[in-house]
Amino acid sequence: DTAVSQTPKYLVTQMGNDKSIKCEQNLGHDTMYWYKQDSKKFLKIMFSYNNKELIINETVPNRFSPKSPDKAHLNLHINSLELGDSAVYFCASSQVFPNIQYFGAGTRLSVL
Amino acid sequence: DQQVKQNSPSLSVQEGRISILNCDYTNSMFDYFLWYKKYPAEGPTFLISISSIKDKNEDGRFTVFLNKSAKHLSLHIVPSQPGDSAVYFCAASDMDSNYQLIWGAGTKLIIKP
Repeated sequence: DTAVSQTPKYLVTQMGNDKSIKCEQNLGHDTMYWYKQDSKKFLKIMFSYNNKELIINETVPNRFSPKSPDKAHLNLHINSLELGDSAVYFCASSQVFPNIQYFGAGTRLSVL
Repeated sequence: DQQVKQNSPSLSVQEGRISILNCDYTNSMFDYFLWYKKYPAEGPTFLISISSIKDKNEDGRFTVFLNKSAKHLSLHIVPSQPGDSAVYFCAASDMDSNYQLIWGAGTKLIIKP
């Protein structure tokens, strides 16, 4: 039973489209995250979210928005996709402390 | 400005020998450090952590050492096995930042048979 699962694993789409990536965790964690791993393999935090607070990395374009229907889910919506959005996106979850994050397998997004 | 640096992009080690991965940080407020391992096409997986009140933490073949004065930590893997071939990320956090993880760029470890 996968602890953090994200779908789809691969996403190929055209520029200008709107897409969503889903994430679910069954660990009972309070906090969920979205990361972007760029072409240089850096892991960059995009959002962290718990039921009280959304923390947004200020470098993230407002075309990206997290949506959390409940504590176990944090979906990522991306509007007006651009070529530069091509990357691997990881979802993760953790308790506040210790902040040991458990990751999903990643979604490879290719924007053509 | 990278607060957590892994200066070696890659490291090659003979099977059975010791692998030493290094990580330097600049923020003296960091008080909790973690190592993650990542295989291709998978998410990072937690390996081992250390609090700033300790200078060593051991878990099986993996030991993390923390030198606070030098702002340096290292991960030792003994003995190295082929399955250890992966990218290793160092991460750091502090209470003032609500324990948000700050990540290094990763070091690719290759274990040669």
